[in-house]
Amino acid sequence: DTEVTQTPKHLVMGMTNKKSLKCEQHMGHRAMYWYKQKAKKPPELMFVYSYEKLSINESVPSRFSPECPNSSLLNLHLHALQPEDSALYLCASSLLSGRGQPQHFGDGTRLSIL
Amino acid sequence: DQQVKQNSPSLSVQEGRISILNCDYTNSMFDYFLWYKKYPAEGPTFLISISSIKDKNEDGRFTVFLNKSAKHLSLHIVPSQPGDSAVYFCAASTAGNNRKLIWGLGTSLAVNP
Repeated sequence: DTEVTQTPKHLVMGMTNKKSLKCEQHMGHRAMYWYKQKAKKPPELMFVYSYEKLSINESVPSRFSPECPNSSLLNLHLHALQPEDSALYLCASSLLSGRGQPQHFGDGTRLSIL
Repeated sequence: DQQVKQNSPSLSVQEGRISILNCDYTNSMFDYFLWYKKYPAEGPTFLISISSIKDKNEDGRFTVFLNKSAKHLSLHIVPSQPGDSAVYFCAASTAGNNRKLIWGLGTSLAVNP
C-alpha cells in the first residue's frame, strides 16, 4: 500500500468543468510534488512545494492551479482543460533534508478530458 | 536533449537469471541516482539509490553500480522473479536543486517463468 493517497482514482470531465485532485501524506514530508505522466513516458514535473510554499512551477498552463493547505495535503485545481491534458496525474512527497531523498508516489488520478 | 538515457526500451529475462538494466547520463553535476519501478495503473515505487561518491549500493536482490568516468549506471536484479516484470526508470538529481529529478524514458522488463 502506498503511503501517499490520491483521490479520485479516475476522473472524467468536460472542457468547461472545474474539478480538483487531492493528495495526502502523513509521513512528515515537507516537499510535495505534482507530476503528469503520459503512456510509455516518464513522469513530467509540474509543481514542487517546500514547506507549503510553491518553489518550482515548470511553466505549467494556468488552467492547472496547485494549492498546499497544510503540510499533509496537496490539491490540484483544474479548470477549462484541453483533451491533450488527459493523463495520469501523480502526487509525490519527500523529506527535505539530505540529498538524494527519494520521492514517494501515490497511485495517481487517471484524468480523461472529453 | 536527454540528460538521462535508457537506451533499451525493453528487456526479457528468464526467471532465476540476472536482469541488468542500464542508464547513461551526460551531466557530471548529478550527485544522486535513483531507480524506480512502475507497474501499470500504479505510481512509481522507489527501489534503490546511489550517491555519486559511491560505486555500488546493494539492497537484497537489487544492486546498483555507478561508473562515474563512463557516466554509466546499471541496476542488477538477481535472481529475477516474474513479479519483477515492470517498467524501470532511472532518475538523477543535482546538488543545486535536489528536489528535481531528471528521468530516463524507462526500460520495460519482462521476467518469463
